[in-house]
Amino acid sequence: KQEVTQIPAALSVPEGENLVLNCSFTDSAIYNLQWFRQDPGKGLTSLLLIQSSQREQTSGRLNASLDKSSGRSTLYIAASQPGDSATYLCAVPYGGSQGNLIFGKGTKLSVKP
Amino acid sequence: DTAVSQTPKYLVTQMGNDKSIKCEQNLGHDTMYWYKQDSKKFLKIMFSYNNKELIINETVPNRFSPKSPDKAHLNLHINSLELGDSAVYFCASSQGGANQPQHFGDGTRLSIL
Repeated sequence: KQEVTQIPAALSVPEGENLVLNCSFTDSAIYNLQWFRQDPGKGLTSLLLIQSSQREQTSGRLNASLDKSSGRSTLYIAASQPGDSATYLCAVPYGGSQGNLIFGKGTKLSVKP
Repeated sequence: DTAVSQTPKYLVTQMGNDKSIKCEQNLGHDTMYWYKQDSKKFLKIMFSYNNKELIINETVPNRFSPKSPDKAHLNLHINSLELGDSAVYFCASSQGGANQPQHFGDGTRLSIL
């Protein structure tokens, strides 16, 4: 059974710092891994999707890496800003080709001005 | 233009009632999903559906049923509502299932009195 874990559960940093969020999964037979952002009272916004054949994906100040063999992914945020404050979730599709996502419990990030 | 839209945004009702939540996507995607986010903010898949297959998470009570009038809609019907059904319900869609990113609606907050 696939399980997804995110560490830390919460993180508070001063503005301008670079930071890393961690995600681990127990079953390495994944199609891909997706990182999302959730703002309070809002839905999820897809940030990055890394296919199983890729090692990393970049979008602006965000860089996500994937190490399938060790069951780990990291989301690196460069030069953090207060607007980055949100909960970050990672998810992997499981249970067949339809892609039902299994989510971690998220890391709540607070970037202080 | 909202890509994945859910109505209503808020739903307050009494135990025992039957209610529906509507979801529409204008992305032309072929697969739609329903997720439940509980009070601890943990997201779990409930259903996924394309025009060929409905996959039901085995933990979902049969009081919950998805109904798809066409490819762009996947509505969620809930019978005999219980206190434990209080949660935020998210609809999502993707093209091609597991290999593509999922796009989420803003959620429907269901409160059972």
